[in-house]
Amino acid sequence: AQSVTQLGSHVSVSEGALVLLRCNYSSSVPPYLFWYVQYPNQGLQLLLKYTTGATLVKGINGFEAEFKKSETSFHLTKPSAHMSDAAEYFCAVSEDFGNEKLTFGTGTRLTIIP
Amino acid sequence: NAGVTQTPKFRVLKTGQSMTLLCAQDMNHEYMYWYRQDPGMGLRLIHYSVGEGTTAKGEVPDGYNVSRLKKQNFLLGLESAAPSQTSVYFCASRKGTAYGYTFGSGTRLTVV
Repeated sequence: AQSVTQLGSHVSVSEGALVLLRCNYSSSVPPYLFWYVQYPNQGLQLLLKYTTGATLVKGINGFEAEFKKSETSFHLTKPSAHMSDAAEYFCAVSEDFGNEKLTFGTGTRLTIIP
Repeated sequence: NAGVTQTPKFRVLKTGQSMTLLCAQDMNHEYMYWYRQDPGMGLRLIHYSVGEGTTAKGEVPDGYNVSRLKKQNFLLGLESAAPSQTSVYFCASRKGTAYGYTFGSGTRLTVV
């Protein structure tokens, strides 16, 4: 069975500082991994995804994530936070070979301090 | 290309009333999903469908029914609304298991 753990329900960083949002997963088979962003009063938008190939994945708005199989992690980073990055971020996992649905983490709310 | 469209965007119901939420996608996706989002509880899957004419229960299906008569539409019904069903409802669709979801913009439902 697959599961996702997002460490830290709330993260605050200063504008211009590094953003690091943590995601660990459990999966019995090679996973597909996703990060979504939700701005206030909006739906979820895909930031980036890992399926196969390069383990460092670049997404929209300067975000990237690295798949580390040995650590079962898929942490999201951005070198320099911007005020517009304030949102809620969700990590999700889907096992390969016919899994019918994504399993989402409980989300991390990112606050940017001016 | 509209993606995933949810109607209505807002609704207020009285306890015991019924309603149907409509989700329409124009991407020819096989998989469709209904989630609810409540503060502090993340996304919870209500029902989903892996193709036209199929439906399956998620983790919180009680009090809801769904239908997928056409591939592009996925309807979520509340037969007798309760205050506990006050939530934001999201529909999503997916091309296949190697793909992420495309979400709609949500329906904010209040049951009084």
